[in-house]
Amino acid sequence: EAQVTQNPRYLITVTGKKLTVTCSQNMNHEYMSWYRQDPGLGLRQIYYSMNVEVTDKGDVPEGYKVSRKEKRNFPLILESPSPNQTSLYFCASSFKISQQQEAFFGQGTRLTVV
Amino acid sequence: AQKVTQAQTEISVVEKEDVTLDCVYETRDTTYYLFWYKQPPSGELVFLIRRNSFDEQNEISGRYSWNFQKSTSSFNFTITASQVVDSAVYFCALSEASRDGGSQGNLIFGKGTKLSVKP
Repeated sequence: EAQVTQNPRYLITVTGKKLTVTCSQNMNHEYMSWYRQDPGLGLRQIYYSMNVEVTDKGDVPEGYKVSRKEKRNFPLILESPSPNQTSLYFCASSFKISQQQEAFFGQGTRLTVV
Repeated sequence: AQKVTQAQTEISVVEKEDVTLDCVYETRDTTYYLFWYKQPPSGELVFLIRRNSFDEQNEISGRYSWNFQKSTSSFNFTITASQVVDSAVYFCALSEASRDGGSQGNLIFGKGTKLSVKP
């Protein structure tokens, strides 16, 4: 089954304790990205990757890191989480636009930083 | 600058009513893509439709229909004979072909419209 898998689904952590949210896709998509969803703000892009070893900042990259060592994986790293990073996070993947495919989203990770 | 506006924050209707969710977008690109996603209470994002800027044909899928009008930069979504299961947050999104190499993964979302359908 074609899917984007995020882990964990729920996470409560303390300020400053490094964490990683994993994202994996099995569709051989070149493009992967991370979004955060906050009430009243919709979804905003954090980072994206157009292919292996190619990453770039989205609209709200501060406080986050990513890596793309393999095509299928795109982890989101919070080196020193803060309460303002409490949010619902989504990973997405897709082919390039010319291939007429929509973006597939993971199930979401609800992160609480206390 | 690119932007998606969903002016309706919340809409409440009674079952079997028709409802239209508005979406207005801004872009300087001549080639772009528009999307609608549904987010039910369970939280996942469900893809509903994608539209290319060069295809203004309206689309109907069961009770759902979409009206794309480039002249007004709008991509409105209508649910006919709404049902309780339609209750969700609906997001309109834009992807520009010229941004980051033309990948549609870089979606610009509106803030969403929460639809409540009461029995």
